[in-house]
Amino acid sequence: NAGVMQNPRHLVRRRGQEARLRCSPVKGHSHVYWYRQLPEEGLKFMVYLQKENIIDESGMPKERFSAEFPKEGPSILRIQQVVRGDSAAYFCASSSGGGNIQYFGAGTRLSVL
Amino acid sequence: TQLLEQSPQFLSIQEGENLTVYCNSSSVFSSLQWYRQEPGEGPVLLVTVVTGGEVKKLKRLTFQFGDARKDSSLHITAAQPGDTGLYLCAGARYGGATNKLIFGTGTLLAVQP
Repeated sequence: NAGVMQNPRHLVRRRGQEARLRCSPVKGHSHVYWYRQLPEEGLKFMVYLQKENIIDESGMPKERFSAEFPKEGPSILRIQQVVRGDSAAYFCASSSGGGNIQYFGAGTRLSVL
Repeated sequence: TQLLEQSPQFLSIQEGENLTVYCNSSSVFSSLQWYRQEPGEGPVLLVTVVTGGEVKKLKRLTFQFGDARKDSSLHITAAQPGDTGLYLCAGARYGGATNKLIFGTGTLLAVQP
């Protein structure tokens, strides 16, 4: 009875590289959310997806960041041309429906050198 | 704009003491969740409150949702070292397209043995 699985747990990238963060939701959940926790800051919403659709991306930076949740496979948060300011913990959550309880993964800690 | 303010930000107490954490907002939420987060891990849901004035108890933890659904409190009785962690409140607004959580600023609790 696996919960939300995120990988990798730790990711180190040099400035200008790409970062790909994966999230497998709780089995049967079709709603996925990505949040970012910057050092010394709280958790901030980035994007909300349902299978194959982006529902709300109001928290996503306009450039370099993208997210997808394909019909098959995990949700992917992609950061292109990373900069030091992207260093943070990225958390994925899933729910069985909109408005239902969100369960969080353990996060991916991205460090940009 | 931070919509949910938590107080205090930091709290260091002795085992056996009682404490209250507050979560305040000028906005109305459909529901409010309390999470606890340990270092290197994701937030773990403690409780969800939905109805104005609602009180929920979880062993030594008591959660209350304000009558106007704008604020909440978490009271811990006879704190134990195992209660140490970052406590986060998160408000949800349902309806419309989004189901994002708005997280509070967090309260870091340390319970000394």
